[in-house]
Amino acid sequence: SAVISQKPSRDICQRGTSLTIQCQVDSQVTMMFWYRQQPGQSLTLIATANQGSEATYESGFVIDKFPISRPNLTFSTLTVSNMSPEDSSIYLCSVDRGYNEQFFGPGTRLTVL
Amino acid sequence: AQSVTQLGSHVSVSEGALVLLRCNYSSSVPPYLFWYVQYPNQGLQLLLKYTSAATLVKGINGFEAEFKKSETSFHLTKPSAHMSDAAEYFCAVSDSGGGADGLTFGKGTHLIIQP
Repeated sequence: SAVISQKPSRDICQRGTSLTIQCQVDSQVTMMFWYRQQPGQSLTLIATANQGSEATYESGFVIDKFPISRPNLTFSTLTVSNMSPEDSSIYLCSVDRGYNEQFFGPGTRLTVL
Repeated sequence: AQSVTQLGSHVSVSEGALVLLRCNYSSSVPPYLFWYVQYPNQGLQLLLKYTSAATLVKGINGFEAEFKKSETSFHLTKPSAHMSDAAEYFCAVSDSGGGADGLTFGKGTHLIIQP
């Protein structure tokens, strides 16, 4: 399995501000994924980040709101911009290490006041 | 478009009883199917996966699931529930095994174990 870390683990932010979430993997991976889990809800894919190319966003998510960087094969960031209380969620990154399995990071719990 | 339906947002069983969590999928291609477990305040852990090999898949912690194409189902079972099984369980589907595409998750089933 992959070892995935996320920073910060949790944060409380004021509306209108931005937060950048980091995802670090212990080995090189081609694809990284970002998900959102709203309170009491399931996971929704935000975007797919492939190193060396622009992230691919799912319907309902836009780059201006959730810019993603993927500078190398072990690291990615997701920024939640101009936050509102509706952005309060757990944000998780995941990677595919082959064998048709995705491994998830521990998540970043974001509360927007 | 692929989708997953989990029947029952909450399932309660007695300790030692059979656990059955239901999952039905919709996919335009032969799917890859997964069950994940999320313990309170923790990330997701893969329980098991179906990738077109054996239709009966065995996972960790005594769980197994059977792929039934005719019923478009992938139900999760465990013969004897343990208190430590109390958690949120998610069924997920991918058209490409999660390699190039992300996963589509069901709404989740909260498993409650009664002593």
